[in-house]
Amino acid sequence: NAGVMQNPRHLVRRRGQEARLRCSPMKGHSHVYWYRQLPEEGLKFMVYLQKENIIDESGMPKERFSAEFPKEGPSILRIQQVVRGDSAAYFCASSPPTRTGTGNTIYFGEGSWLTVV
Amino acid sequence: AQSVAQPEDQVNVAEGNPLTVKCTYSVSGNPYLFWYVQYPNRGLQFLLKYITGDNLVKGSYGFEAEFNKSQTSFHLKKPSALVSDSALYFCAVSNTGGFKTIFGAGTRLFVKA
Repeated sequence: NAGVMQNPRHLVRRRGQEARLRCSPMKGHSHVYWYRQLPEEGLKFMVYLQKENIIDESGMPKERFSAEFPKEGPSILRIQQVVRGDSAAYFCASSPPTRTGTGNTIYFGEGSWLTVV
Repeated sequence: AQSVAQPEDQVNVAEGNPLTVKCTYSVSGNPYLFWYVQYPNRGLQFLLKYITGDNLVKGSYGFEAEFNKSQTSFHLKKPSALVSDSALYFCAVSNTGGFKTIFGAGTRLFVKA
């Protein structure tokens, strides 16, 4: 029973390049979440998606960042024109369809570590 | 808006002693509360959650957490700490809508042999 799969695990980009991070949710999970963890900081919510829909992107920076979860294939977090401040660990999580009263536990992948040089 | 506070950046405890990692929360409506653990360079692992029912919730690796509605707290506890428990612990909250889970800043636990 595969967990949440993220790739690449480590990515190095030069300033101004694009970074694409991929996430395949657990089997049976239809909700995907992206979080960012900066060095020595907590976990910041970025975006919550269901298939073909962005449900909540209140944590996404207004520029350069975008996310999608297409009908087929993994969820993608895209960062255009990366800057040094984008260096962080990006975690994807997934959850099954929400059912009222049972909570909504989210399960994390191992993360993608982005380094901008 | 939901929020979580973990008032201690770091907790130090001797092996064999009980440990407590504190968490308070703010959420509209009834909360769903979670604890996760993170080891270096790894993702977060789910430990336990409170949905409803008994205020004392038992989870993985001997951890438990106590929900206190009047104090809006959900402290993580373990009766006897192990060196291998040393890690970063995150408290999290979502409301009954359950769509967005907000995490605290994390508490680093050091268990000394």
